[in-house]
Amino acid sequence: GQQVMQIPQYQHVQEGEDFTTYCNSSTTLSNIQWYKQRPGGHPVFLIQLVKSGEVKKQKRLTFQFGEAKKNSSLHITATQTTDVGTYFCAGSRASNTGKLIFGQGTTLQVKP
Amino acid sequence: NAGVTQTPKFRVLKTGQSMTLLCAQDMNHEYMYWYRQDPGMGLRLIHYSVGEGTTAKGEVPDGYNVSRLKKQNFLLGLESAAPSQTSVYFCASSYPRDRGFSYEQYFGPGTRLTVT
Repeated sequence: GQQVMQIPQYQHVQEGEDFTTYCNSSTTLSNIQWYKQRPGGHPVFLIQLVKSGEVKKQKRLTFQFGEAKKNSSLHITATQTTDVGTYFCAGSRASNTGKLIFGQGTTLQVKP
Repeated sequence: NAGVTQTPKFRVLKTGQSMTLLCAQDMNHEYMYWYRQDPGMGLRLIHYSVGEGTTAKGEVPDGYNVSRLKKQNFLLGLESAAPSQTSVYFCASSYPRDRGFSYEQYFGPGTRLTVT
């Protein structure tokens, strides 16, 4: 079945350092979404990427969708303690169900 | 708007007991989903529904049943709980048909279930 792999599983950084998480799908995706889950909380939607090679920015966060629509990345510049949490990518194949296949997530710890 | 709500927030069951988790959304979303979250496993889809009266199996449906009798509610049932069903359960909804095309999912706060 379709799989979405995400690395690394954990990342510890010093505040101010950059952070990147990578997502790879075994099949071509119609779109990819990113979610953030704070400790003890629920996943919250960050962004959706649809086009091949698409790059979107939200303040210090940069999201990329690969040319082949099989991989994606989230890069955070100059991390802050408020960035702590688990970041999930979630891929969708073309369908009318909205079903997502989630990666395992990358848990980010930021040391002040 | 309350968004997506889940009841109960916590529950402890003994092996073999049954229970129903309730999910409610007030955003007029067509699609609803039940996930379980286990450490290192991400979110795995249990069952989903694309409309009132319809349900379908996800990745890990065994041991669970669902019903969507009303558009705003999605119920997840465990008929005979097992320790392997100890997990955090999240409900989500998406696709506001009357506001255009968007598949972003809105999650409830979760239910932490322990089966002993």
